[in-house]
Amino acid sequence: NAGVTQTPKFQVLKTGQSMTLQCAQDMNHEYMSWYRQDPGMGLRLIHYSVGAGITDQGEVPNGYNVSRSTTEDFPLRLLSAAPSQTSVYFCASSYSSASGRLTNEQFFGPGTRLTVL
Amino acid sequence: LAKTTQPISMDSYEGQEVNITCSHNNIATNDYITWYQQFPSQGPRFIIQGYKTKVTNEVASLFIPADRKSSTLSLPRVSLSDTAVYYCLVGSGAGSYQLTFGKGTKLSVIP
Repeated sequence: NAGVTQTPKFQVLKTGQSMTLQCAQDMNHEYMSWYRQDPGMGLRLIHYSVGAGITDQGEVPNGYNVSRSTTEDFPLRLLSAAPSQTSVYFCASSYSSASGRLTNEQFFGPGTRLTVL
Repeated sequence: LAKTTQPISMDSYEGQEVNITCSHNNIATNDYITWYQQFPSQGPRFIIQGYKTKVTNEVASLFIPADRKSSTLSLPRVSLSDTAVYYCLVGSGAGSYQLTFGKGTKLSVIP
C-alpha cells in the first residue's frame, strides 16, 4: 500500500491564482481530512469528509473548497490564493474500528509546501 | 474539545528514558488521549492511545492517573532518531472528527 499520497510536494503561486492540492489513499478509509501547519504551530483542520459525497468544515475553512466524489480522493481547492495561505498542507485518512466508531489513528501524507507571493 | 497543555521543549541524552506530561483538566468522560510524533518535513504519526491506567506498545508507554486530568508519554532509552515534536490530543470519544493539535513538545535528543 502507498498509504496517503499528496501532490505536488512544492508549489509557488501568485496572489489571486487558483490551484488544487491532490490527496489520495489506498487503504479504503472512509474518513479523510485536510490540515494546514504554519511555522512553530500545530496543525489546524481545514475540511474533512466522513465518506464519499459528504464533507464538512473544520477550524479554518475560509478560502478553501473540497469535494469527495470517491473514497480514494479528497482534493483541496484554493479559490484565489492569498499570502496568508502560505503554509504546509497535510492530508490524512482514518478508519472505523470493528465497533463502527472512528478511531483517533490518522494516517498522514508527506505534505505539500505552498508559497503564495 | 478538551484543551491540552504540554511543555514547549525538552532535552534528553541518548539512552535515557523520557517522560512528557500533558495536562487536560477538562477532559470529558468519553474522551480518549492520543499521542502523535512529527519529524521535520513529515506528517504526524500516531504513537499511542489510551483511556485510563497504562497502555504499552512497541514504541512507548502511556500512563493515565485515575482522575485522567493528565497523562504521561514515556519513551524508553531514546536515541537521536527520537528527536521530534510530540503532540498530546484529547478527542471527543474514541474517534473524533476534529482532532485538535496544539503546539506540541519539541524533544531534542543529545548524543
